[in-house]
Amino acid sequence: EAQVTQNPRYLITVTGKKLTVTCSQNMNHEYMSWYRQDPGLGLRQIYYSMNVEVTDKGDVPEGYKVSRKEKRNFPLILESPSPNQTSLYFCASRHTGYNEQFFGPGTRLTVL
Amino acid sequence: EDQVTQSPEALRLQEGESSSLNCSYTVSGLRGLFWYRQDPGKGPEFLFTLYSAGEEKEKERLKATLTKKESFLHITAPKPEDSATYLCAVRAGYSSASKIIFGSGTRLSIRP
Repeated sequence: EAQVTQNPRYLITVTGKKLTVTCSQNMNHEYMSWYRQDPGLGLRQIYYSMNVEVTDKGDVPEGYKVSRKEKRNFPLILESPSPNQTSLYFCASRHTGYNEQFFGPGTRLTVL
Repeated sequence: EDQVTQSPEALRLQEGESSSLNCSYTVSGLRGLFWYRQDPGKGPEFLFTLYSAGEEKEKERLKATLTKKESFLHITAPKPEDSATYLCAVRAGYSSASKIIFGSGTRLSIRP
């Protein structure tokens, strides 16, 4: 089944404790992206990657890091999480040149 | 500044009561307008892409239309299973990395 998977689905952590949210897709998509979704603000792009070893900032990159060492994986790293990073996070992927994005199921992160 | 605004924020309808959701946009270099459906606790699911004014797309009870300033998602004779949040997004700019901007969504509730 073609899909985007994220882990963990739910995470409660404390300020300053480094964490990684994994994202994996099995559709051989070149483009991958991370979004956060907050009430009233819609989906905002954090980082995106056009292909392996190619990443770039989205609209809200502060406090986040990403890497793209393999085509299928695009982890999101929070080196020192803060309460304002409490949010619902989505990973998405698509083929370059196509507009349809496939989204993962989301990761609900709470930073205390 | 590129912007996408959806209205209303929430809409409650009786089963069978047709209505429309609005998405107005201000972007330079529109490369596509997208509609997604998002169910609670899940990632957005792609519905339609529209590229130029006058274009229409249909899927079951949903029909999306596009003008130069806005898009409408028409829902004809809705059923309770159509209850979801509907997201509008636009792709702006002409590079392959052009960003996608999401609206904050319309939460649709259909009463039996």
